[in-house]
Amino acid sequence: DTEVTQTPKHLVMGMTNKKSLKCEQHMGHRAMYWYKQKAKKPPELMFVYSYEKLSINESVPSRFSPECPNSSLLNLHLHALQPEDSALYLCASSQDIPGLVDNYGYTFGSGTRLTVV
Amino acid sequence: RKEVEQDPGPFNVPEGATVAFNCTYSNSASQSFFWYRQDCRKEPKLLMSVYSSGNEDGRFTAQLNRASQYISLLIRDSKLSDSATYLCVVNFRGSGNTGKLIFGQGTTLQVKP
Repeated sequence: DTEVTQTPKHLVMGMTNKKSLKCEQHMGHRAMYWYKQKAKKPPELMFVYSYEKLSINESVPSRFSPECPNSSLLNLHLHALQPEDSALYLCASSQDIPGLVDNYGYTFGSGTRLTVV
Repeated sequence: RKEVEQDPGPFNVPEGATVAFNCTYSNSASQSFFWYRQDCRKEPKLLMSVYSSGNEDGRFTAQLNRASQYISLLIRDSKLSDSATYLCVVNFRGSGNTGKLIFGQGTTLQVKP
């Protein structure tokens, strides 16, 4: 299994809703990531989990709450989002963290396309 | 100055052409370098890692110049299926044992018949 699986693929939510994005990998990767990508822009890093611990939070607003229940799963809990949060949310994993062992690329999931109304 | 800079293009080339993309990065402590490809409304996919010695994968050649903090990607004999956005990606080593991949804004390639 060489895939990163994200669910749901599409999500429409209101500004008062609470929803969660899910990400799963079974490659034994120890680092997992959330990225946000707006149209015609590159992916922007949100969070890094290393060995199930949050190691990087790129000053993301608290309405985004990550969770790593185990080494294969990564969630992103959403609450009180704004329309400008509409974007493609990408999960990725790598065998280890870039910086510990170099030249590890990421494997990306196909993303969740989120629309906040 | 952006951490990773690329010419966004678009590059419009005929089939069979050779096209080159360039990228510069600001953090001299960067350790790892990659080219990713992203098709419209799809996720980025790793195309190749980039090494100082240069590396080749079929029609694709990547090169790294650490002194100039410059990365290149050469595509020979372009195919219609090469049309995509090519993202230059650099590992920035953080404090302690952390690191993160930073993406350039991407270069759009359109190969025409």
